Amino acid sequence: DAGVIQSPRHEVTEMGQEVTLRCKPISGHDYLFWYRQTMMRGLELLIYFNNNVPIDDSGMPEDRFSAKMPNASFSTLKIQPSEPRDSAVYFCASSFLQGLADTQYFGPGTRLTVL
Amino acid sequence: AQTVTQSQPEMSVQEAETVTLSCTYDTSESNYYLFWYKQPPSRQMILVIRQEAYKQQNATENRFSVNFQKAAKSFSLKISDSQLGDTAMYFCAFMNNNNDMRFGAGTRLTVKP
Repeated sequence: DAGVIQSPRHEVTEMGQEVTLRCKPISGHDYLFWYRQTMMRGLELLIYFNNNVPIDDSGMPEDRFSAKMPNASFSTLKIQPSEPRDSAVYFCASSFLQGLADTQYFGPGTRLTVL
Repeated sequence: AQTVTQSQPEMSVQEAETVTLSCTYDTSESNYYLFWYKQPPSRQMILVIRQEAYKQQNATENRFSVNFQKAAKSFSLKISDSQLGDTAMYFCAFMNNNNDMRFGAGTRLTVKP
């Protein structure tokens, strides 16, 4: 299995531009998570889906952030308009709840720089 | 490429006992950072403890401590006096100087009353 795939790996954009981050979870996994990692705040859960349905988006910082999961193999995290303080590494993770085990597999992350 | 391995998918411990979660990593870099994150059922990720590789002294945060063995590339987490609220998923993570971060698959810890 290729693991969780994220694209792009690096994104540099200017303030005010729209940014779209993409994630392909591991096939068969029914949970998908979006995280943001910064040195100041560490790793924060933004939103997670179960069977393509958003379950908890309380971590989404502002209305500028939106996430979708149109099907089991694809999810996007969109920032519009982007701001310099959105600069961070964004991780996607997926998991399959089997009994009590819910191992999350993280993608390599997308490093976002907003100038 | 850096990899992080947590070889224990699930563990359990009796309340008030001590438990150790293992983590190993692979890197060719000499300076980096290691983390343990806790994810309770609420799904929020909570930083438990952080260790800079250049520091020889093991990090400690109240009941949480690490055993950092740089030569062995091992970074285990010890939880003393386990509490019911410690029940969670625990993730080990590695970060290099470029802020590239890698996570282990996690260990589910259950504290039993």
